[in-house]
Amino acid sequence: DSGVTQTPKHLITATGQRVTLRCSPRSGDLSVYWYQQSLDQGLQFLIHYYNGEERAKGNILERFSAQQFPDLHSELNLSSLELGDSALYFCASSVGASGNTIYFGEGSWLTVV
Amino acid sequence: AQSVTQPDIHITVSEGASLELRCNYSYGATPYLFWYVQSPGQGLQLLLKYFSGDTLVQGIKGFEAEFKRSQSSFNLRKPSVHWSDAAEYFCAVGPGGSQGNLIFGKGTKLSVKP
Repeated sequence: DSGVTQTPKHLITATGQRVTLRCSPRSGDLSVYWYQQSLDQGLQFLIHYYNGEERAKGNILERFSAQQFPDLHSELNLSSLELGDSALYFCASSVGASGNTIYFGEGSWLTVV
Repeated sequence: AQSVTQPDIHITVSEGASLELRCNYSYGATPYLFWYVQSPGQGLQLLLKYFSGDTLVQGIKGFEAEFKRSQSSFNLRKPSVHWSDAAEYFCAVGPGGSQGNLIFGKGTKLSVKP
């Protein structure tokens, strides 16, 4: 158990819908990272937040957004969902802004039908 | 552009045999390099990482990896594989010294024969 908690573990939704994935980092960690793992694209970095501020963006679609709240939990919002958005979404956390090992949660499986 | 290539999609080895998983990277400077393991239904767990210094890095679960700058490689090895090592293995590079904004390879799935 890495200490990173992600909910929900599984989610099935229809095309065009919007979902929110939630991540609670390890106690004391200020950074949250989001990754997408799909069959087509593999593991891709989406976005990084540190202490509430966006620090880096990767291959995140405009239909996707994220935020980190004052209690340091983070949410990834996926809207206008398409079949191709079906994937495993990982959250990871670390203590610092960049120079620390990151710890992954078990992921949220999203299926778009 | 930075990239990571894992040439082997799937490898099968017998229990007790040695293992080497290949990883090649493309990056302008000396990168931060990582190996992660993903067991079915689990998140990714860090096996080992290389930043600088000794090019042979020891990790958890008896794994090691060797950084070869001349070959742009960071291959993962284990002298004797156990059935519990069956999983998917990912090599990653951390551009600009980042340990979080990682670029991953496509992964190598390891099967272990009894």
